[in-house]
Amino acid sequence: GEKVEQHESTLSVREGDSAVINCTYTDTASSYFPWYKQEAGKGLHFVIDIRSNVDRKQSQRLIVLLDKKAKRFSLHITATQPEDSAIYFCAASAGGGYKVVFGSGTRLLVSP
Amino acid sequence: AQTIHQWPVAEIKAVGSPLSLGCTIKGKSSPNLYWYWQATGGTLQQLFYSITVGQVESVVQLNLSASRPKDDQFILSTEKLLLSHSGFYLCAWSLGTGTYEQYFGPGTRLTVL
Repeated sequence: GEKVEQHESTLSVREGDSAVINCTYTDTASSYFPWYKQEAGKGLHFVIDIRSNVDRKQSQRLIVLLDKKAKRFSLHITATQPEDSAIYFCAASAGGGYKVVFGSGTRLLVSP
Repeated sequence: AQTIHQWPVAEIKAVGSPLSLGCTIKGKSSPNLYWYWQATGGTLQQLFYSITVGQVESVVQLNLSASRPKDDQFILSTEKLLLSHSGFYLCAWSLGTGTYEQYFGPGTRLTVL
């Protein structure tokens, strides 16, 4: 089955810098790649997603890149702010988005 | 606006006792529903999903079962809890077609002693 590896377990940046979180997946059938954010003790919130028919998507300060050949996707957070501090999860899904496999999470700390 | 409610907020149970966790979605008809388990400090493991009332698909076997008795309700249960069942249980929903984005509930913290 699908496996998603999230490469950075923790990431510390200064406010205003960019943060990059990288993930790789194994199943070439995966076509949907969402990102979620989790604050301490709370549920997840959708951040941004990308589908396999594009290789780049941007929403305000968030950019997602997808490299299907390398089976790699990444989340770029530009101009980071302290409120960006949280755990970020990448995920992958094939066919309809019903079955979703998550990465292990990256704890992002943005210091003022 | 859609709201998702999970109950209870937290539960402390003994090994071997039964468990029932609930999830209700209001403001959206015929959603897809999901159950996830998160070990403390760990990643999320999808447990079940349901596309329609009465139909539940199992993703991983963890001695748990799920049911969808109503369009807006998803229940997670077991007759006999194990220590390994401890963790954070999250319910989520998504639209029926077109978009795959999932909306998560606040979660239930389960401690098995």
